Amino acid sequence: DSGVTQTPKHLITATGQRVTLRCSPRSGDLSVYWYQQSLDQGLQFLIQYYNGEERAKGNILERFSAQQFPDLHSELNLSSLELGDSALYFCASSVEYEELFFGEGSRLTVL
Amino acid sequence: KNQVEQSPQSLIILEGKNCTLQCNYTVSPFSNLRWYKQDTGRGPVSLTIMTFSENTKSNGRYTATLDADTKQSSLHITASQLSDSASYICVVISNNAGNMLTFGGGTRLMVKP
Repeated sequence: DSGVTQTPKHLITATGQRVTLRCSPRSGDLSVYWYQQSLDQGLQFLIQYYNGEERAKGNILERFSAQQFPDLHSELNLSSLELGDSALYFCASSVEYEELFFGEGSRLTVL
Repeated sequence: KNQVEQSPQSLIILEGKNCTLQCNYTVSPFSNLRWYKQDTGRGPVSLTIMTFSENTKSNGRYTATLDADTKQSSLHITASQLSDSASYICVVISNNAGNMLTFGGGTRLMVKP
C-alpha cells in the first residue's frame, strides 16, 4: 500500500460527459502528480501541484483541469469526454522531487 | 529535449533465467535515475534510485547500474520468477524547473514457466 488513495477505481461514462477523479496523497506529501496511461502505452505526465499551486504542466488537454485543495487532496476534471480519453489515470505524491508513490489508478472507460 | 529511451520494448524469458533491461537518457542536468516496476493495471512501485556518484545498486534480485558519462543505465534481474512479469520503467530526474521527471516508455517483461 503506497498510501496514495484514488477514487473511483473504475468509471464508465459516455462521450461528451464530464468526470472528476480524486486523489488523496500520502500524509505529509506536498506534491501531487497526475499521469495518463492509455492501453499498452507509457505514462504521460499531465500536471503537478505543490502545496496548492500548479508547479508543472505536461501534455494536458484544455478539456482537462486539476486543482489541489488546502487539505492537499487533488482532483482531476475531465470534460467533453472522447473515446480516446479512455485510460488509466494515476496520481502520485512525493516530498518535493523525492521518490514518487503512486496510487492504484482510476480506470476510465468512455463509451 | 529531455528523452529517456528503453530497450527492448518487450522481452520474454524462461523462469530462472537472467535478463538485462537498458535505459539511455539525454536529460540534463542530471539529478538521479529511478527504476519502477509496474504490474499490469497497478501503480508503479519504486525498485531503486541511482544518484550521479553511484555505479551499482542492488535490491534483492534486482541490480541497477549507472554510467553517467555515457548516460546509460541497466536493470539486471537474476533468477527470474513468474512474479517478475511486469513493465519496468526508467525515470530520470533533472534539476531544471518545470517538469523535472522524464519517463521512459518501459520494457514489458514476461517470465514464462
